[in-house]
Amino acid sequence: QSVLTQPPSASGTPGQGVTISCSGSSSNIGSDYVYWYRQLPGTAPKLLIYRNNQRPSGVPDRFSGSKSGTSASLAISGLRSEDEADYYCAAWDDSLSGVIFGGGTKLTVL
Amino acid sequence: EVQLVESGGGLVKPGGSLRLSCVASGFTFSITWMGWVRQAPGKGLEWVGHIKNKADGGTADYAAPVKGRFTISRDDSTNTVSLQMSTLKTEDTGVYYCSTVANRNSWSWGQGTLVTVSS
Repeated sequence: QSVLTQPPSASGTPGQGVTISCSGSSSNIGSDYVYWYRQLPGTAPKLLIYRNNQRPSGVPDRFSGSKSGTSASLAISGLRSEDEADYYCAAWDDSLSGVIFGGGTKLTVL
Repeated sequence: EVQLVESGGGLVKPGGSLRLSCVASGFTFSITWMGWVRQAPGKGLEWVGHIKNKADGGTADYAAPVKGRFTISRDDSTNTVSLQMSTLKTEDTGVYYCSTVANRNSWSWGQGTLVTVSS
């Protein structure tokens, strides 16, 4: 059972927007930055969002992150078929003294 | 361009040992923290640990499930980070990814190497 809670699945149609939530606690999201990763089928994860809402070079502005209190969200606008992937949130946890990941959300583009 | 290439995965019996290596290029390895993340078949991501650069002490931190059994080391002369795994358990089976680490979180990732612990 993951310390960060994500919905197991999400879906949307091409062109639509979707939001994936990530719920934690004061020892992780509440006290440190949130990171988001995308993992396409059969490939390694890739960093999408760092420090709550920053995009690495090359990540389109269709992807945005936000954080409030002990929860965070990843918003994807203008869905494309290639956005079908697993999405993970992550944060440092002070109580565990380690990085924790959410259980992952499988995004389906209908 | 950052490149991370893992090697050393394979089949090992429970209780056995295995050493994974990750050769890095495309960035200044000596000033970069490095880490390992694993993924059991069909499951999510799990942090294994990371090692700091020499300037920050060069020490490693580990996840509770592997502490005392796994050791992360680095060789700045060869741009290599290693994961020595001992007393392996079936639950250690999975793909092991090497990554660069910034602000204690993974940034760039390698393609992964599969470790299977089975009798």
